Amino acid sequence: DSGVTQTPKHLITATGQRVTLRCSPRSGDLSVYWYQQSLDQGLQFLIQYYNGEERAKGNILERFSAQQFPDLHSELNLSSLELGDSALYFCASSAHDVNTIYFGEGSWLTVV
Amino acid sequence: GQQVMQIPQYQHVQEGEDFTTYCNSSTTLSNIQWYKQRPGGHPVFLIQLVKSGEVKKQKRLTFQFGEAKKNSSLHITATQTTDVGTYFCAGRRSGYSTLTFGKGTMLLVSP
Repeated sequence: DSGVTQTPKHLITATGQRVTLRCSPRSGDLSVYWYQQSLDQGLQFLIQYYNGEERAKGNILERFSAQQFPDLHSELNLSSLELGDSALYFCASSAHDVNTIYFGEGSWLTVV
Repeated sequence: GQQVMQIPQYQHVQEGEDFTTYCNSSTTLSNIQWYKQRPGGHPVFLIQLVKSGEVKKQKRLTFQFGEAKKNSSLHITATQTTDVGTYFCAGRRSGYSTLTFGKGTMLLVSP
């Protein structure tokens, strides 16, 4: 158990819909990262927050957004969903932004 | 932007054989990390290399960081079925907070 909690574990939704994925980092970790994992693209970095502020942005689509709340939990919002958004979405956290990152178990999103 | 390439994408070995995966970055790295993801699981940190030419060992696993800090390798001696999974390298550039992951090498070990 990495200490990073993600909900929901599985989610099936229709195209065009919007979903929210939630992440609670390890106790004391200030950085939260979101990654998308699909079979052909590996682990794609989406976005990073550090202590509530956006720190780095990767290959995140405009239809996607995220935020980190004062209690340090984070949410990833995915809207106008397309079939190609089906993937495993990982949240990870670290104590600072240059340390080892610890992954949650992921949220499986299936868009039908 | 930074790219991290890993080869091979996939390798199938017999138990007891050795295995090596290679990682190459398009830019010089401040450090490189290795992660293992078991089937159906999440990536789990294995090790971090920081110094040029660094070599670290964990039991049957040997990790190397190239002299130019642009490449790395993971070698497993005498593989076991418990080694099955996908091995990812992840590089971080100086001054950047993010890790760029390679696409991973999937290792299958037959008994």
